[in-house]
Amino acid sequence: AQKVTQAQTEISVVEKEDVTLDCVYETRDTTYYLFWYKQPPSGELVFLIRRNSFDEQNEISGRYSWNFQKSTSSFNFTITASQVVDSAVYFCALSEARGYSTLTFGKGTMLLVSP
Amino acid sequence: DADVTQTPRNRITKTGKRIMLECSQTKGHDRMYWYRQDPGLGLRLIYYSFDVKDINKGEISDGYSVSRQAQAKFSLSLESAIPNQTALYFCATSDPGQPYEQYFGPGTRLTVT
Repeated sequence: AQKVTQAQTEISVVEKEDVTLDCVYETRDTTYYLFWYKQPPSGELVFLIRRNSFDEQNEISGRYSWNFQKSTSSFNFTITASQVVDSAVYFCALSEARGYSTLTFGKGTMLLVSP
Repeated sequence: DADVTQTPRNRITKTGKRIMLECSQTKGHDRMYWYRQDPGLGLRLIYYSFDVKDINKGEISDGYSVSRQAQAKFSLSLESAIPNQTALYFCATSDPGQPYEQYFGPGTRLTVT
């Protein structure tokens, strides 16, 4: 069975601080996909990134960066110089690469960035 | 127009009532999903369908049923709503060619009083 753990329930930072959201996953599959989604207060889910299990390169997109480490089964997300607009709930998710490819979500981390 | 739409967007209903949440998509995808989000619990899979004749239970299907009326439509029903079904419900679609890429609707906020 697949499992995604986001141990940080809520994080509060002050604007311009860097913040890292942790994600640890469990799967028996050798091929899988990892995702991060953002859910702002308006409620919709915003796709941020997808990473497959064979691509361990870290990725940077503007102020966002992701660190994928298969050795520790982690896929952490860092926001550099956080802004108030980054306040949201962030979900990490896992999908197997075969079969029905359903998504297993973590419970989410609520990030509050104050001015 | 949005590719994945959900109706209604918000609904308040009473305990014991039957309610249907509808999802429509214009992406031409075969695969459709229903998820439920509760505060602090993330999203959990209720049902999923890979085509009109393929319906599968997810992690938390009890108390729910679904209907895949056409490739583009996937409805979720609560036969007799109860307060602990108060949640945010998301529909999603994916293409068999890229099954890991799920496209989410805007969500339906359901309150059962």
